[in-house]
Amino acid sequence: QKEVEQNSGPLSVPEGAIASLNCTYSDRGSQSFFWYRQYSGKSPELIMSIYSNGDKEDGRFTAQLNKASQYVSLLIRDSQPSDSATYLCAVNIPNAGKSTFGDGTTLTVKP
Amino acid sequence: DTEVTQTPKHLVMGMTNKKSLKCEQHMGHRAMYWYKQKAKKPPELMFVYSYEKLSINESVPSRFSPECPNSSLLNLHLHALQPEDSALYLCASSHPTRAQQVGTQYFGPGTRLLVL
Repeated sequence: QKEVEQNSGPLSVPEGAIASLNCTYSDRGSQSFFWYRQYSGKSPELIMSIYSNGDKEDGRFTAQLNKASQYVSLLIRDSQPSDSATYLCAVNIPNAGKSTFGDGTTLTVKP
Repeated sequence: DTEVTQTPKHLVMGMTNKKSLKCEQHMGHRAMYWYKQKAKKPPELMFVYSYEKLSINESVPSRFSPECPNSSLLNLHLHALQPEDSALYLCASSHPTRAQQVGTQYFGPGTRLLVL
């Protein structure tokens, strides 16, 4: 089992729809979770970090964490073509001083 | 300032060359990272420096040699690389937190390396 798994893409949604990106992780002791966005040819940039169970909202983005189910998700409301990118889920490995990235989900928002 | 800078942006080198990649941050972060990223793959961790000491080497071949001269600078020295080492090399920095948790990582723009 991979340490971090993301829903296989690519994911395509129409403009204005909600995009849902999912990530599961294997280490129950993980405490910190991050969503990064990476445009083609660019470096990853942080969208959201989440540390506690529940929802965390920032503008059109909502991260959801459920530690019991070892599940973290990112919802993008009112999706825009500029949201088209690869979204990477990163999970801290406890006491290891490093994070593990999922393989990424490529999102395309069609006008 | 949340910027991590990397030089050069692009690098072409032969298999016998020696070159260096440079990374700089002025955010006061004490953890710095080198990642390698191939097309359509996630970043793959190579090295971590914590408080200027090498804390993680992910079994990287010795033709890659990291160096952290001070808390703001990180270098990656390259020697006798292979064509399969062609990739985007990303530097990142973060605040280390308690229990070795990794905080938010800020990535530089990367160096795109081509080995001929």
